[in-house]
Amino acid sequence: EADIYQTPRYLVIGTGKKITLECSQTMGHDKMYWYQQDPGMELHLIHYSYGVNSTEKGDLSSESTVSRIRTEHFPLTLESARPSHTSQYLCASSESVGGELFFGEGSRLTVL
Amino acid sequence: GENVEQHPSTLSVQEGDSAVIKCTYSDSASNYFPWYKQELGKRPQLIIDIRSNVGEKKDQRIAVTLNKTAKHFSLHITETQPEDSAVYFCAASRTGGGNKLTFGTGTQLKVEL
Repeated sequence: EADIYQTPRYLVIGTGKKITLECSQTMGHDKMYWYQQDPGMELHLIHYSYGVNSTEKGDLSSESTVSRIRTEHFPLTLESARPSHTSQYLCASSESVGGELFFGEGSRLTVL
Repeated sequence: GENVEQHPSTLSVQEGDSAVIKCTYSDSASNYFPWYKQELGKRPQLIIDIRSNVGEKKDQRIAVTLNKTAKHFSLHITETQPEDSAVYFCAASRTGGGNKLTFGTGTQLKVEL
């Protein structure tokens, strides 16, 4: 079944650690996005990509980085995690720019 | 760019009552207006959307209305049930124009027994 998969679902790490949040989709979509969301709060776009080797920063400034080497894969990396990075990170994809977004189940990150 | 405002931020209703959530947008060229529902601990999921060429769309107990002149759109839920309790997000975009979806700030709906 076509879906968006995120791993890990939950991660607790110490300050200064490097982490990568994985996102893969079998939707066949070119457009992929990362949103940062505190529980029940606003969705903040932090990165997006419209295709392989194309990445852009979103509306909310983030210290994370992304890459898009394969169409189906859009990982997010934090080189040195801090407690301020504690949040939920949602990956999404769409068939067209501005079209319906399909979200993954999210990765809940806690930095101690 | 587009700016979407959403009200109220929290809404509490009795089971069986109706709930209305309102959004306004700034870009008159926006033509796609989806609504997402996010249950506690779950991912946001599309529940209904409307395009600028129609004024109203219904799907069972939910409906969305669009007023292009006033640049606002609303979500209406009738006969609310406990499972309607969730955070609802409106959004707007200009499809075909390269504009990403812009989300509202969300409404926490609580349906009380």
